[in-house]
Amino acid sequence: QQQVKQSPQSLIVQKGGISIINCAYENTAFDYFPWYQQFPGKGPALLIAIRPDVSEKKEGRFTISFNKSAKQFSLHIMDSQPGDSATYFCAASSALNKFYFGSGTKLNVKP
Amino acid sequence: GAVVSQHPSRVICKSGTSVKIECRSLDFQATTMFWYRQFPKKSLMLMATSNEGSKATYEQGVEKDKFLINHASLTLSTLTVTSAHPEDSSFYICSARDLVSNQPQHFGDGTRLSIL
Repeated sequence: QQQVKQSPQSLIVQKGGISIINCAYENTAFDYFPWYQQFPGKGPALLIAIRPDVSEKKEGRFTISFNKSAKQFSLHIMDSQPGDSATYFCAASSALNKFYFGSGTKLNVKP
Repeated sequence: GAVVSQHPSRVICKSGTSVKIECRSLDFQATTMFWYRQFPKKSLMLMATSNEGSKATYEQGVEKDKFLINHASLTLSTLTVTSAHPEDSSFYICSARDLVSNQPQHFGDGTRLSIL
């Protein structure tokens, strides 16, 4: 059973546009929700993370929106740039133990 | 920031050989290390969790005798793929966590394993 469901599988956005990736989870014990960025041939790099006591967190062009009642969270990339083209993974964990990853979203930002 | 180094970054070897992959935490003590496997265009699948000085905990479906994990020190964990076969070809990624600081995992850059 997939613990974290991620959509869309792929996304094409024009430069300057907003990229939005969504994730949903079932386990209410999850208390840490990170987003990772992965370039081909590299390991995932932590982008931004949120805990369920806040509904939104912003770091530069990246924002996480968190809806605890709906058990959903999303990543918004404002002013998307070609350099943002990568695969993005959401994840969830309880007490920073096992990470359960979403299936990934391949983002392509067109110049 | 914290850095996790993985070596080698790429390895190609013949079927039947054993391959060892190293994962080192460079500027923190990794009380826990995780090993993941990633197939092309797929997500990361946790293979096992290892705590320093104790036996690794393997996820369901992962063969313990096939994927040997050693975490003998606070800065080094190794994954040995024994008697590797073409189906073991994959991207293997480690991550490390310092339980004392209670910070989340830091990931290495992965090892591309190709078995001919």
